[in-house]
Amino acid sequence: DGGITQSPKYLFRKEGQNVTLSCEQNLNHDAMYWYRQDPGQGLRLIYYSQIVNDFQKGDIAEGYSVSREKKESFPLTVTSAQKNPTAFYLCASSILSGNEQFFGPGTRLTVL
Amino acid sequence: AQSVAQPEDQVNVAEGNPLTVKCTYSVSGNPYLFWYVQYPNRGLQFLLKYITGDNLVKGSYGFEAEFNKSQTSFHLKKPSALVSDSALYFCAVRDDSNYQLIWGAGTKLIIKP
Repeated sequence: DGGITQSPKYLFRKEGQNVTLSCEQNLNHDAMYWYRQDPGQGLRLIYYSQIVNDFQKGDIAEGYSVSREKKESFPLTVTSAQKNPTAFYLCASSILSGNEQFFGPGTRLTVL
Repeated sequence: AQSVAQPEDQVNVAEGNPLTVKCTYSVSGNPYLFWYVQYPNRGLQFLLKYITGDNLVKGSYGFEAEFNKSQTSFHLKKPSALVSDSALYFCAVRDDSNYQLIWGAGTKLIIKP
C-alpha cells in the first residue's frame, strides 16, 4: 500500500526541547517537502528536498532543520530556537519538483 | 511576483446546488495549477491539475476546474454539491523560479442539507 506516513500523530514538547517529526514515503518520489499550517491559515513551506543528500530552505526555515539521507525519509527537527512551534506539520512528496504533491496525514505539535 | 489568490474565505452552498470556489493567479510563464481538498485534522488530497490542453479539467470526486487565461482564473466547480464536500479547499500555482508550489490561503466550503 503506497503512500506517505508521518509519526507521531500528536506530539507534546516542553519549551527548550528539540523534537523530531518523522516522514516516510514508499512512492519512489524524488522530491519531499515540509509545511507548517496554523489554524485557519494556508501552508507555509519550511524545507524541501529535490534529491537525496540535498535540501533547501523554504519561507520559514528558521528554528527548523532537516536531513535527507535516504530517498524514502525526510525527518524534520523542531529546535528550541523555534519560538512558536505549536502548529500542524505536513509532509509531502512528488515525483519531481513542480508536480502534484501527495501529503501525509500530518503531525500536530503542541508546546506545553 | 508570482502569486495565487482565493478571494473568498468561505462559500456556503445548499446540497444539490452547483458550487464554485474561486482562484486567480499571477505567473510569468505558462501556469501549472492545482486544486487540493483538506478535511479536518487531515493531510491535503490532490483533486486535479492544469498544465496544458483542454481548459476544462476533470478531477476526483466529481470536481472539475475551468482554466481561463484571459481572466487568469482557475475556478473549481461541481454540478451538484454533497454535504460530504464540506472541507477546506486550496488552490496552488507552480513558481517558475524554483518549481515549488505557491499556495492560496484556502476557502472553507460549507454545504448545508
